[in-house]
Amino acid sequence: NAGVTQTPKFRILKIGQSMTLQCTQDMNHNYMYWYRQDPGMGLKLIYYSVGAGITDKGEVPNGYNVSRSTTEDFPLRLELAAPSQTSVYFCASSPQGAEQYFGPGTRLTVT
Amino acid sequence: GQQLNQSPQSMFIQEGEDVSMNCTSSSIFNTWLWYKQEPGEGPVLLIALYKAGELTSNGRLTAQFGITRKDSFLNISASIPSDVGIYFCAGPPGETSYDKVIFGPGTSLSVIP
Repeated sequence: NAGVTQTPKFRILKIGQSMTLQCTQDMNHNYMYWYRQDPGMGLKLIYYSVGAGITDKGEVPNGYNVSRSTTEDFPLRLELAAPSQTSVYFCASSPQGAEQYFGPGTRLTVT
Repeated sequence: GQQLNQSPQSMFIQEGEDVSMNCTSSSIFNTWLWYKQEPGEGPVLLIALYKAGELTSNGRLTAQFGITRKDSFLNISASIPSDVGIYFCAGPPGETSYDKVIFGPGTSLSVIP
């Protein structure tokens, strides 16, 4: 049981490039989330999903897109990367929404 | 939008001391969650609280769901070096929404051996 896995662990992007951050969970959780964490700050919700085929915006969705075609996978797409998107990105899953289980994070730098 | 406040922002304590931290909100919460994040890792759930007044322990950690439902407290007894990290409170605001969980800014704990 791997829990929540994220790839890649690190990435450096040039301004204007695009990329997809991958997130997979093997706990059959319905709820999945994407957060970003800036240095010395708490977690900000980007997007979330309450089940396959259903996604919704969180607090800071601009510049990102998501899809949820399966229960297991919840990829986060960055289009036209900007320096303001330099952050650590965490994916999480939950069986019912409250208690969340986090992946190890992806550290993204946009230069 | 909804906000959680945590205090203190940071703590430096001697090994063996007890630690207390709290989390407050202007809104009512139905669930309070406490997470710990170690450097370079994702947050890990420590304790979940579901009922006003509830007191729950996990080893040396004890958390309480405030009776007003607008606050929660976390205590760590006899701190050890591996307690170092950032402690976040979190919860879904409102009566029924479990879709969105908001996180506090965290309390950073340093333990001096």
